[in-house]
Amino acid sequence: AQTVTQSQPEMSVQEAETVTLSCTYDTSENNYYLFWYKQPPSRQMILVIRQEAYKQQNATENRFSVNFQKAAKSFSLKISDSQLGDTAMYFCAFMTARGSSNTGKLIFGQGTTLQVKP
Amino acid sequence: DSGVTQTPKHLITATGQRVTLRCSPRSGDLSVYWYQQSLDQGLQFLIQYYNGEERAKGNILERFSAQQFPDLHSELNLSSLELGDSALYFCASSVDGQPGNTIYFGEGSWLTVV
Repeated sequence: AQTVTQSQPEMSVQEAETVTLSCTYDTSENNYYLFWYKQPPSRQMILVIRQEAYKQQNATENRFSVNFQKAAKSFSLKISDSQLGDTAMYFCAFMTARGSSNTGKLIFGQGTTLQVKP
Repeated sequence: DSGVTQTPKHLITATGQRVTLRCSPRSGDLSVYWYQQSLDQGLQFLIQYYNGEERAKGNILERFSAQQFPDLHSELNLSSLELGDSALYFCASSVDGQPGNTIYFGEGSWLTVV
């Protein structure tokens, strides 16, 4: 069974600085998808970024980028120029790319609470 | 705003009772998912529907049931409620439920069982 591990329960960063959140996963599959979701105090889950395992290029969305290391099964999120609005819990998630019974099932890590300080 | 609508936003009920949570997916999305977020279990996948039919099942208790109607809205029914059922229940949707689809979440329904 696939598992997702976020080893940093809490992190903090000064406004305008860069922070990296770690995520590792365990799977025997070759094709899959990885996601980072943000959950601000409002509790809504917001998609930050997604990565397809068969693509070697790291995904980027504005100030958010990932470092996808497939062999190491690592998927870290880098937030550049941190803003106060980035304060939230961040979840790493895995989705298999095969098996109709697993379609759409996101497996989440435990989350990392990020505090951006002024 | 993700386009996924959930009602009610907050619900307080007593043990042993039954509640229904309602979800309208994003316009055009055929697949609906239910997730539970609790302090001890984290975010857990419960069940997925595609165009009215059950597609995948996760850690959903037998006391819980769900369905997706012809107009694509979905309901999650929770019965014989226990204190441990207190959680944030998310509905989410995607275009066709295929692997790799981006899944968009609603704002969640806070359930408190007292």
